[in-house]
Amino acid sequence: QLQLQESGPGLVKPSETLSLTCTVSGGSISSSSYYWGWIRQPPGKGLEWIGSIYYSGSTYYNPSLKSRVTISVDTSKNQFSLKLSSVTAADTAVYYCARLRVVVPAAIDYWGQGTLVTVSS
Amino acid sequence: EIVLTQSPGTLSLSPGERATLSCRASQSVSSSYLAWYQQKPGQAPRLLIYGASSRATGIPDRFSGSGSGTDFTLTISRLEPEDFAVYYCQQYGSSPRVTFGQGTRLEIK
Repeated sequence: QLQLQESGPGLVKPSETLSLTCTVSGGSISSSSYYWGWIRQPPGKGLEWIGSIYYSGSTYYNPSLKSRVTISVDTSKNQFSLKLSSVTAADTAVYYCARLRVVVPAAIDYWGQGTLVTVSS
Repeated sequence: EIVLTQSPGTLSLSPGERATLSCRASQSVSSSYLAWYQQKPGQAPRLLIYGASSRATGIPDRFSGSGSGTDFTLTISRLEPEDFAVYYCQQYGSSPRVTFGQGTRLEIK
């Protein structure tokens, strides 16, 4: 059974960089059929895609966040990571890592449990 | 960029009733890239429907999806107490760029 687990600080100061890691267990991050992504959800609001990465390192980012986002992958550790720079209170959210099946039929078929990141001084 | 608009924003129904949730795309979407998710408070979203009409593993057959082009529907034939939650539609754009609808809250009347 595939499992994804987010880890990282739960509190980040304004203007600093938010850093999270997702550890994948029960399967390989190097599978050709999947991208790996980050999705966030501000308290009481809907889901927002942040970006996705392939095991080769190819990335796709939400245009609204692209200037501040970096997603990277470490296949040796079966992990991928998110960095979001210059954070503000608007970046306070539950951050989910997820597996994106990109072969037809496509869907986000596995999600981590999510981790709340609060931006506050 | 394709925008997904879900309606209604909130749907109030009783257990045993039929629920019909709508997802409308701003331009045509391939059915192969349209999915629905259920989210309960404090939980991650769960995949319900992929390919617009196929149920994910373990999803009861009271859940069904339909539609094509710009109009998609999630139907729950007879609501069970555990079905009251928020539902999101989602599509992939070019490459794995993801868009979500804003969600429909299904609440107990």
